[in-house]
Amino acid sequence: ETGVTQTPRHLVMGMTNKKSLKCEQHLGHNAMYWYKQSAKKPLELMFVYNFKEQTENNSVPSRFSPECPNSSHLFLHLHTLQPEDSALYLCASSQDPSGQVFSGANVLTFGAGSRLTVL
Amino acid sequence: AQSVAQPEDQVNVAEGNPLTVKCTYSVSGNPYLFWYVQYPNRGLQFLLKYITGDNLVKGSYGFEAEFNKSQTSFHLKKPSALVSDSALYFCAVRDMRSGAGSYQLTFGKGTKLSVIP
Repeated sequence: ETGVTQTPRHLVMGMTNKKSLKCEQHLGHNAMYWYKQSAKKPLELMFVYNFKEQTENNSVPSRFSPECPNSSHLFLHLHTLQPEDSALYLCASSQDPSGQVFSGANVLTFGAGSRLTVL
Repeated sequence: AQSVAQPEDQVNVAEGNPLTVKCTYSVSGNPYLFWYVQYPNRGLQFLLKYITGDNLVKGSYGFEAEFNKSQTSFHLKKPSALVSDSALYFCAVRDMRSGAGSYQLTFGKGTKLSVIP
């Protein structure tokens, strides 16, 4: 266990379903991320939250809706997905010392991922 | 813009032999560089990073990487490969000019390392 827990580990859903992915971190980090991992493609950053505030949204379709109720929990709500959305969704966290010189060098701690299949 | 290239989809090496996984990058300013490893059914794990200073960086599990500014490379190396090193390896870069408010860490598409007994 890395300290970042993702549930469920596997999810199969139809295109009309609504489901949610959950991420929880026990590391005391203040930044949390959603990444999409597709085979033979670079990891795609989807959303970033810092101190519960969304700081980045990388042009993600509105059928993906993030929620960050506190610094320890992050959700990804899924609605009306397409088959091409099938992928491994990774949650990560980091400690962000904003304003410090090396904030860009923060190490990400990843969860094991949620494998999503859209039928 | 920042980008990372991992030119090899797969690298095969015999156990006990040295291994190299290649990475080149492109940034406007100076880079922060990272290597992460992903074992089957697991998330990515941090191996090592380069921020500044010594060009040779040592990391977890006996891995090291050498920052070469003139060749814009950050190849991952290990003197003697183990079967347990078989995994997917990702190189990542962030431009130091991005600013403290930007979290955009650009990953390569990964290189699958297979160590053959």
